Amino acid sequence: DTAVSQTPKYLVTQMGNDKSIKCEQNLGHDTMYWYKQDSKKFLKIMFSYNNKELIINETVPNRFSPKSPDKAHLNLHINSLELGDSAVYFCASSQVLGLEQYFGPGTRLTVT
Amino acid sequence: ELKVEQNPLFLSMQEGKNYTIYCNYSTTSDRLYWYRQDPGKSLESLFVLLSNGAVKQEGRLMASLDTKARLSTLHITAAVHDLSATYFCAVPSMDSNYQLIWGAGTKLIIKP
Repeated sequence: DTAVSQTPKYLVTQMGNDKSIKCEQNLGHDTMYWYKQDSKKFLKIMFSYNNKELIINETVPNRFSPKSPDKAHLNLHINSLELGDSAVYFCASSQVLGLEQYFGPGTRLTVT
Repeated sequence: ELKVEQNPLFLSMQEGKNYTIYCNYSTTSDRLYWYRQDPGKSLESLFVLLSNGAVKQEGRLMASLDTKARLSTLHITAAVHDLSATYFCAVPSMDSNYQLIWGAGTKLIIKP
């Protein structure tokens, strides 16, 4: 039974489009995250969402917006996609902030 | 601001050899996490180190934490090809809502 799941696994789209990535966790965790991993494997935290409080990494463009319909889901919506958005996006969850994180399988986004 | 540095960033070694990956962090923290990432895959939790002097072992991997020196080590004993992966350390930042600050990762290649 998958703990943290993401869809889609692959996403190929053109510049300027809007897309969403969905994430669900069945661990009962209170906190969820979105990370971006670039081609050099560097992990960058984009958002964390804890008990309806959103913590935003200030370097994330406002074209990116997280949406959480409930505690088990944290979706990522991206407007006006740019070439530089191409990366692997990981969703993760933890019981609370600062504890061990469990990662989803990742979504490879390619913007052409 | 918490900074996490890993070294080396790249390591190529022969099977059967021993080696150590280092993770230094710049401000006080009482815990540290090690993760493994296989090519094209997600991140998998390896070790959770929760206190000064903590030592955890799993197979040929052993991790330790020295909170006074702000240093963790991941030691590989008699390396085998299956351990080839990228290894990340991560430390929660008390200044940033306990978000995990990640090292850049150590890409480990073990040649048969």
